[in-house]
Amino acid sequence: GQNIDQPTEMTATEGAIVQINCTYQTSGFNGLFWYQQHAGEAPTFLSYNVLDGLEEKGRFSSFLSRSKGYSYLLLKELQMKDSASYLCAVQDSNYQLIWGAGTKLIIKP
Amino acid sequence: GAVVSQHPSRVICKSGTSVKIECRSLDFQATTMFWYRQFPKQSLMLMATSNEGSKATYEQGVEKDKFLINHASLTLSTLTVTSAHPEDSSFYICSARIKDYGYTFGSGTRLTVV
Repeated sequence: GQNIDQPTEMTATEGAIVQINCTYQTSGFNGLFWYQQHAGEAPTFLSYNVLDGLEEKGRFSSFLSRSKGYSYLLLKELQMKDSASYLCAVQDSNYQLIWGAGTKLIIKP
Repeated sequence: GAVVSQHPSRVICKSGTSVKIECRSLDFQATTMFWYRQFPKQSLMLMATSNEGSKATYEQGVEKDKFLINHASLTLSTLTVTSAHPEDSSFYICSARIKDYGYTFGSGTRLTVV
């Protein structure tokens, strides 16, 4: 079956760095997405990785290793507004998105 | 660019009534729209995929007669929850695939059935 695993909840301190991991097992691979979702709102796009390596975009970076079925989202200089759920999603061979359950990130002052 | 407008944002309805949720692509043509449901503290669950001018494809376990999807034009897709029950209370989100950006989402509809 298809499976996306990510931690349920993480806690970090304002100004610090946090890494959210995602491992996947899917039928085919056509890219991995990271989305941010605040409570009661729709997801917003953060990053897309289709090749191995690190993609940096401001305070957020995303890494992919296709051979390991592994990705992480790195958030630097954490701000209180970064408190949200972070969703990992993989696009399978049929270009269908398979979603992880999301990681709730709690930022403490 | 690539905005999907979803309405209503919140709706409360009585058990047994029907509710229609609309998703409009404002500045692009969405040939395919994905409809998701999200229960509290859970991830997005794909309900169905609608294609303009053809029948929607429903995921296993989703009742197509209960969740009616219409995608009559390239800019409008609708989901109608028929004979709603309290267990249908959820957050419903539509999404369209964007070539360069991945996917864009509507703002979601919080449905409460009382």
